[in-house]
Amino acid sequence: GDSVTQMEGPVTLSEEAFLTINCTYTATGYPSLFWYVQYPGEGLQLLLKATKADDKGSNKGFEATYRKETTSFHLEKGSVQVSDSAVYFCALTGTASKLTFGTGTRLQVTL
Amino acid sequence: NAGVTQTPKFRILKIGQSMTLQCAQDMNHNYMYWYRQDPGMGLKLIYYSVGAGITDKGEVPNGYNVSRSTTEDFPLRLELAAPSQTSVYFCASSYWDTSYEQYFGPGTRLTVT
Repeated sequence: GDSVTQMEGPVTLSEEAFLTINCTYTATGYPSLFWYVQYPGEGLQLLLKATKADDKGSNKGFEATYRKETTSFHLEKGSVQVSDSAVYFCALTGTASKLTFGTGTRLQVTL
Repeated sequence: NAGVTQTPKFRILKIGQSMTLQCAQDMNHNYMYWYRQDPGMGLKLIYYSVGAGITDKGEVPNGYNVSRSTTEDFPLRLELAAPSQTSVYFCASSYWDTSYEQYFGPGTRLTVT
């Protein structure tokens, strides 16, 4: 079945550091890929998406590129802020059109 | 727009008790979902609904029941609580044609002891 694997956290960075959170997937067909973010005490919200190979999703300074050859969708940000501290979930929709989530990666950004 | 609301925020149940987690949305979304989130795990789909009167099982439906009598409401029922149901429960909703873009409630933290 479909699955998503994310790098384990927590990831701790200083403000203005570069962020990469790795995500790889297994799916049949051509899934759409997503990053969701969960701020403390809140539900998840969609951060960005990519629906086909080589698409780049971007939002709030975050980017991720759909790489079919490596089945990856790594999340990047050039300069993180304290307000980016949250849990980030990689997800996909496969043939069943339902979201399959990774386990989440906690990011802590310090001053 | 309140979005997706869930009540209660926290609850402690004894083994064997029953309870209903409430979920409501005011965005006129057709689709609604219930997930559970366990520590160190991703979200697991419990049940979902594509419209009033229509519900279907997700990945982990055992021990739960749902109903969808209106577009707005999608309550989740736990009949005989067990410690394995200790988790954070999220309700979500979406439009039918953008079901990947789900709007989540703030969650209910449930402890069964």
